[in-house]
Amino acid sequence: AQTVTQSQPEMSVQEAETVTLSCTYDTSESDYYLFWYKQPPSRQMILVIRQEAYKQQNATENRFSVNFQKAAKSFSLKISDSQLGDAAMYFCALHNTNAGKSTFGDGTTLTVKP
Amino acid sequence: SAVISQKPSRDICQRGTSLTIQCQVDSQVTMMFWYRQQPGQSLTLIATANQGSEATYESGFVIDKFPISRPNLTFSTLTVSNMSPEDSSIYLCSVDRDPGNTIYFGEGSWLTVV
Repeated sequence: AQTVTQSQPEMSVQEAETVTLSCTYDTSESDYYLFWYKQPPSRQMILVIRQEAYKQQNATENRFSVNFQKAAKSFSLKISDSQLGDAAMYFCALHNTNAGKSTFGDGTTLTVKP
Repeated sequence: SAVISQKPSRDICQRGTSLTIQCQVDSQVTMMFWYRQQPGQSLTLIATANQGSEATYESGFVIDKFPISRPNLTFSTLTVSNMSPEDSSIYLCSVDRDPGNTIYFGEGSWLTVV
């Protein structure tokens, strides 16, 4: 079985500041992918960033970057220069390539203060 | 990325009735996934739908309650049968695409059972 844990139910950040959302996971598989999704009030699940487990280099997408620590099974998301539009629920997800299934964390609600 | 259209986007349903949610993808995919997101909670996989075979249901979900059709490689339906207030949720259709088996989601169908 695989698990994904997001230990921060809620986080807040001042506009233009940096915030880090935590995620830890557990899997016995060697071939997997990790994702962060954003879910704004519209409820659409939007892909923020993805990381291949076999790559050591941390993924980046503009203001979003990850700190992937494979040995520690940690996958945190850093949002730089936070904007009001970043306010949303953020989900960490693990995709097991062999089983073709994804497991999601419980989510972190991010508030951005003007 | 993938363009995934879901209908209806929102509906209010009477207790005891059934509702079918449609999911259309912009190109052929092998597997389609149906998730449920209860209020304030994370995503839970209901079933995986492969074209030409019966859907594979996760623990806690049964075909009589959530029948799924997959008539071709771009379309699937999920029916929520004999609805009760506990079925009030967002139902999300998704597909995985390369690179990296990235999961893309439809806009979701927000059902309220009264």
